[in-house]
Amino acid sequence: QVQLVQSGAEVKKPGASVKVSCKASGYSFTTYSMHWVRQAPGQRPEWMGWINGGSGNTKHSQKFQDRVTISRDTSATTVYMELRSLTSEDTAVYYCARRPLGRVGHFGLDVWGQGTTVIVSS
Amino acid sequence: DIQLTQSPSFLSASVEDRVTVTCRASQGINSSVAWYQQKPGRAPKLLIYSASTLQSGVPSRFSGSGSGTEFTLTISSLQPEDFATYWCQQLISYPQTFGPGTKVDIK
Repeated sequence: QVQLVQSGAEVKKPGASVKVSCKASGYSFTTYSMHWVRQAPGQRPEWMGWINGGSGNTKHSQKFQDRVTISRDTSATTVYMELRSLTSEDTAVYYCARRPLGRVGHFGLDVWGQGTTVIVSS
Repeated sequence: DIQLTQSPSFLSASVEDRVTVTCRASQGINSSVAWYQQKPGRAPKLLIYSASTLQSGVPSRFSGSGSGTEFTLTISSLQPEDFATYWCQQLISYPQTFGPGTKVDIK
């Protein structure tokens, strides 16, 4: 079955970096994009960026432009999201979610990972 | 950035009620809206995309409509498993923002 399995919870100190992985299985990795969405406690989801599973092209929210890197390993069907210079405001659950490539503005995020809790605390 | 608002922010309803949630965009976004359901401790679940297309496996009591700047999610007959928070997301412009959510609670 289609599945996205994320890496485990992380506790980081301010100023550190975190790298979250998302292992995809059960579908053609290169025909979908992978998006990263985070959700702070009690808040709405926040879209961070995405990577084209085929080309590897990426697009990030300007809010994270200088701090986030999204990458992929097609042989491992795994996508990574690295966030640098962490502050307490980065404490959140981080989700990967896939979207079919194709019509811009058409498809939603149809399969989600289980989420990775990242806590930033001194 | 495109801003989304949702109304109401909180809704108290009974089983079998008809429920409507509205999402408004700060500028026209054609039909590029998705709706998600989220329960505590779980990832969001896609219900509707392209404003009105039902995601595979989602019960037909869920429907979506609208275009431009105003969109609605309707649950025709609320079931016990539908008590959750509902989010809209615009899909046409980066960043692909989410609305502030509507929590549907049991009356």
